[in-house]
Amino acid sequence: KQEVTQIPAALSVPEGENLVLNCSFTDSAIYNLQWFRQDPGKGLTSLLLIQSSQREQTSGRLNASLDKSSGRSTLYIAASQPGDSATYLCAVRGSSNTGKLIFGQGTTLQVKP
Amino acid sequence: NAGVTQTPKFQVLKTGQSMTLQCAQDMNHNSMYWYRQDPGMGLRLIYYSASEGTTDKGEVPNGYNVSRLNKREFSLRLESAAPSQTSVYFCASSDEGGHSASNQPQHFGDGTRLSIL
Repeated sequence: KQEVTQIPAALSVPEGENLVLNCSFTDSAIYNLQWFRQDPGKGLTSLLLIQSSQREQTSGRLNASLDKSSGRSTLYIAASQPGDSATYLCAVRGSSNTGKLIFGQGTTLQVKP
Repeated sequence: NAGVTQTPKFQVLKTGQSMTLQCAQDMNHNSMYWYRQDPGMGLRLIYYSASEGTTDKGEVPNGYNVSRLNKREFSLRLESAAPSQTSVYFCASSDEGGHSASNQPQHFGDGTRLSIL
């Protein structure tokens, strides 16, 4: 059974710092991995999706990497801003047959001005 | 540009009452999903619908039923609510492209916050 873990559960950094969020998964046979952002009281917003054949994806100040063999993904946020404060969730899709996702519990990020 | 719309946003029920959570998407997506989010448990899939006319169980289906009314709408029903079903419920959709798998992200609604007393 696939399990997804995100460490740390919470992180507080000063504005301007570069930071890395971690996601690990137990079964390396994945179809893709997605990173989401969730603001308090809101739904999830997709940030980046990495296909199983890819090593990384970039969008603006965000860069996500994927190492299937070791069961790990990282989300790198450059030059963090207070507006980046949110909970970040990673989710893996195990199969091409269904779109079912298995989620980690998230990392809550606070960026202090 | 509504995306995924969930109603209601908040609801309080008494144990044993029934209720239907509504979800509609305007992106012409084939696949739709219902998740629940609980502290310390993350998001867990309740049911999903790969295409109009089909539904399948997810990780935590007990106590719930679903209906894929048409391509746009996917409802979740609690027949006899229990306190353990107090949670935030999210609906999502994705463009799975029919028979071929896709690498498109899932789009989420803003959730329904449900309390059962």
